[in-house]
Amino acid sequence: EIVLTQSPGTLSLSPGERATLSCRAGQSVSSNYLAWYQQKPGQAPRLLIYGASTRATGIPDRFSGSGSGTEYTLTISRLEPEDFAVYYCQQYGTSQQAFGQGTKVEIK
Amino acid sequence: QLQLQESGPGLVKPSETLSLSCAVSGGSISTSGYYWGWIRQPPGKWPEWIGSIYHSGSTYYSPSLKSRVTLFMDVSKNQFSLRLSSVTAADTATYYCARHTPRHAPFDYWGQGSLVTVSS
Repeated sequence: EIVLTQSPGTLSLSPGERATLSCRAGQSVSSNYLAWYQQKPGQAPRLLIYGASTRATGIPDRFSGSGSGTEYTLTISRLEPEDFAVYYCQQYGTSQQAFGQGTKVEIK
Repeated sequence: QLQLQESGPGLVKPSETLSLSCAVSGGSISTSGYYWGWIRQPPGKWPEWIGSIYHSGSTYYSPSLKSRVTLFMDVSKNQFSLRLSSVTAADTATYYCARHTPRHAPFDYWGQGSLVTVSS
């Protein structure tokens, strides 16, 4: 099983600021099969990024993903009020796909 | 627009079997290439993949839950279902159904989730 470790646990920022979230894998993620999700309270996760860097349908271009191997990053260029939420990374390249423990982006 | 909706009991007793169904609308579960999965999320924790079923009926389970999980489809009702046996309090979670296509792909459509509590 590939363990995903996200950092930081909580990110306190103001609207308009840049957010940088990290996801580190215990071993290399096959074919960069790494996705990012956003989850708000009481809602299901929403797919933001797949294949490490491809935005899902309808996702604003302020969200971007990068990385390869064992190190991945989700960047939100300018935080909008609706972006304050919990973000999870997920690897789906093995038979035991897994999610990271999440990063909460909160209003400072 | 594809929509998924979970249904089932919100309370299950320890040692019993948890059963949930996911009704799909706006698309057919028999569509080639589509995988239908279950994910759970304990309160305050991160999601955990339980398993997925292919349109053909082939199943793929998380190794950690494989001994207790069964997924199956009902094409006539356009729904797929989860059974988790011998539940304990550790199985208390919000259970989501979702779609992914192909097999090694993220989940792009999700149900709203169904909270299941295991308690006597």
